[in-house]
Amino acid sequence: QVQLVQSGAEVRKLGASVKVSCKTSGYTFTSYGISWVRQAPGQGLEWMGWISTYNGDTDYAQKFQGRVALTTDTSTSTAYMEVRSLKSDDAALYFCARDSCANTNCFGSTFDIWGQGTLVTVSS
Amino acid sequence: DIQMTQSPSSLSASVGDRVTITCRASQSIGNYVNWYQHIPGKAPKFLIYAASTLQSGVPPRFGGSGSGTDFTLTISNLQPEDSATYYCQQSYTPPRFGQGTKVEI
Repeated sequence: QVQLVQSGAEVRKLGASVKVSCKTSGYTFTSYGISWVRQAPGQGLEWMGWISTYNGDTDYAQKFQGRVALTTDTSTSTAYMEVRSLKSDDAALYFCARDSCANTNCFGSTFDIWGQGTLVTVSS
Repeated sequence: DIQMTQSPSSLSASVGDRVTITCRASQSIGNYVNWYQHIPGKAPKFLIYAASTLQSGVPPRFGGSGSGTDFTLTISNLQPEDSATYYCQQSYTPPRFGQGTKVEI
């Protein structure tokens, strides 16, 4: 059965970094990309970025470029998302999702399987 | 980026009702629209892709239509477990979600 299991809740101070993991199982890791989506309190879903698990290519939403880094470890079928220089409005529930786009220049991205979410709290 | 304007932001309906949620794209995107259901505290659930194709396992009371700039999600015979927030997502690049529609039953 296809599963994405994320790491547990994190508390960080303003200006710090946080790294969330997303361990996949039940499918060939490199056949799909991984997208990251967040939901701030009281807000909707916001796509943050995508990584090709095949070759490590990335694509970030403009507002996250330079502050978010997506990586993968194919030996453990795990994806990672790091957010640097945390601000108060980075406090959110972060999701990883299996993305049908495995390569760059792909249209029609679908997110068919999601992780359970990781709550990131930012304190002052 | 292509924006998605979703309406209404919330609605209240009764068991057995039929409800319609709409999404309008800021430019024509063919049928590159997907729909998701999100219940708080759970992972979002993938419902419909390519505007009208039901994902495997999704009850047939869910339906999608549209192309170009205007898209619709219809839920027929509303059930208590359909209480959730529904999001459209344009799957051009970069992907972007609508603002969500909270359905209360």
